[in-house]
Amino acid sequence: GAGVSQSPSNKVTEKGKDVELRCDPISGHTALYWYRQSLGQGLEFLIYFQGNSAPDKSGLPSDRFSAERTGGSVSTLTIQRTQQEDSAVYLCASSLGGTSQETQYFGPGTRLLVL
Amino acid sequence: QKEVEQNSGPLSVPEGAIASLNCTYSDRGSQSFFWYRQYSGKSPELIMFIYSNGDKEDGRFTAQLNKASQYVSLLIRDSQPSDSATYLCAATTGGFKTIFGAGTRLFVKA
Repeated sequence: GAGVSQSPSNKVTEKGKDVELRCDPISGHTALYWYRQSLGQGLEFLIYFQGNSAPDKSGLPSDRFSAERTGGSVSTLTIQRTQQEDSAVYLCASSLGGTSQETQYFGPGTRLLVL
Repeated sequence: QKEVEQNSGPLSVPEGAIASLNCTYSDRGSQSFFWYRQYSGKSPELIMFIYSNGDKEDGRFTAQLNKASQYVSLLIRDSQPSDSATYLCAATTGGFKTIFGAGTRLFVKA
């Protein structure tokens, strides 16, 4: 079956522009996660969804970042008024959503470069 | 701030040796612990998870958890050059929220 997919794979934008990143989880997975990984760094937790709800938004770096999930499937991460420090790989993962002991399956990521 | 700490490395071991990777976590409420492997330019993939004190073995990999010491480790036996990657330790804290360490780079010399 299909894994987690993300689009676009690469995005170059100018400082101050808004960008929207998309994640398609594995079919049937109710939990969905967004992470950010800067060059040579570990994964920084941003937000997770259980269904369409986001119980914990504490990882979002600022109010320029928002995320939504509709239909318990596709999720979008929006960054408004992008800054150069937003440049990173944005990774999405999904899991079945039954317990916290589940494997998270990662997508290929979106490489964002803010000029 | 709930954290997961790892030595960044690089950890260099000869082919066939045992590689030992370590991780500590600060949140005593953490329930589940994971080791992911990440090759350069690729996404992380799960190696093992553990949630009970003690050892868990899967092939050449053994995960160890000591909740009293807030310590997790991963042993890789008979290390191969293909094991060269960054190993990420992660802990779930507060439901599904997952905190990752910065990763340890492992280099296995042929």
